[in-house]
Amino acid sequence: EDKVVQSPLSLVVHEGDTVTLNCSYEVTNFRSLLWYKQEKKAPTFLFMLTSSGIEKKSGRLSSILDKKELFSILNITATQTGDSAVYLCAVEAAGNKLTFGGGTRVLVKP
Amino acid sequence: GAGVSQSPSNKVTEKGKDVELRCDPISGHTALYWYRQSLGQGLEFLIYFQGNSAPDKSGLPSDRFSAERTGGSVSTLTIQRTQQEDSAVYLCASSPVGNEQFFGPGTRLTVL
Repeated sequence: EDKVVQSPLSLVVHEGDTVTLNCSYEVTNFRSLLWYKQEKKAPTFLFMLTSSGIEKKSGRLSSILDKKELFSILNITATQTGDSAVYLCAVEAAGNKLTFGGGTRVLVKP
Repeated sequence: GAGVSQSPSNKVTEKGKDVELRCDPISGHTALYWYRQSLGQGLEFLIYFQGNSAPDKSGLPSDRFSAERTGGSVSTLTIQRTQQEDSAVYLCASSPVGNEQFFGPGTRLTVL
């Protein structure tokens, strides 16, 4: 059974801090790993990672995948209150089905 | 361009009643997914449609749940004889060829 585990479950930081979110997985026939940000109901897409060691960046967010150790990290630098959300990691295996982790709830305080 | 839309946005029903949730995917997207998010939980896969292939129903939690996709576009998720544990946000997503999924706003279902 495919499994995706995220850590920590939640964290509280202050504006300007840097956060690192972890996602580990056990998946048969891995195809890609995706990160989403969920603030209200629908998650919004952040990154898709398919290759090891290549960092993807978007503004203050960055992510990298390690296919040997089966994990990914999502970094957020210089956090802002608008970064407060649940961050979801999902892994796509053969068949296009995504398995989601339980999410990390991030609260950024002013 | 319109995104994925879902209706209703909120649904309150009594235990034992049937409900239908609707998803309109982005035009041209061949893949359509239903997920469920219970309070404090991660997203749970329910069912996946890809083109004209038989749907992947492996995530449906019980035979009270069913879904169909008509004409390769609109999809309806039906829950029969609803139970309180069915209360959740039901999310629909569609995808073109490729991996990124575009999510709808969800339907919040409350079973009293």
